[in-house]
Amino acid sequence: DAKTTQPTSMDCAEGRAANLPCNHSTISGNEYVYWYRQIHSQGPQYIIHGLKNNETNEMASLIITEDRKSSTLILPHATLRDTAVYYCIVRVPPIIQGAQKLVFGQGTRLTINP
Amino acid sequence: EPEVTQTPSHQVTQMGQEVILRCVPISNHLYFYWYRQILGQKVEFLVSFYNNEISEKSEIFDDQFSVERPDGSNFTLKIRSTKLEDSAMYFCASRKGGGGYYNEQFFGPGTRLTVL
Repeated sequence: DAKTTQPTSMDCAEGRAANLPCNHSTISGNEYVYWYRQIHSQGPQYIIHGLKNNETNEMASLIITEDRKSSTLILPHATLRDTAVYYCIVRVPPIIQGAQKLVFGQGTRLTINP
Repeated sequence: EPEVTQTPSHQVTQMGQEVILRCVPISNHLYFYWYRQILGQKVEFLVSFYNNEISEKSEIFDDQFSVERPDGSNFTLKIRSTKLEDSAMYFCASRKGGGGYYNEQFFGPGTRLTVL
């Protein structure tokens, strides 16, 4: 799996958009970008994933650059409950490689301030 | 909404004792996982399990660890002789298999293991 680089921490005001960057310059053609988050002391939670097109779901939007070397997770209207560690993971999707584990880095600790 | 459950939420044990951590994956899921997170550190993969056998295991998952799916619902992690360094949060996860969103792993709330 390709290595990712994320800022250690970020702050965002409640109600504003939180934009979390991720660099993955060594991503290969069949690797997707996945985002998970971990709210304090809870299990990680899947947020979104994408290959090359921008993606949006009820939780977030994912913007992937044209060269696929970086991406941004956007929480459009951050709430206090979005305070968590956010992990950017680049991997071949499980449908291709079976059971496949998740490899977590240190992630970005996002703090939403009132 | 279906969810992964884990028991107990907190387990305290003496060094050298055996512990069994229990998980009930989501009912129609086929792939099962254990991860651990030592306090302040990254979430680390331990083992994956599919079709009643281990698919992959990490270096952490040595002979002291074992997993089992004793019936159609439970998925257990056993540590035979606990060490101080086994103190961590242990997360179980499950995945349905196939394509789409439901291909992703759903994690349980974790069991905090404290070895004294």
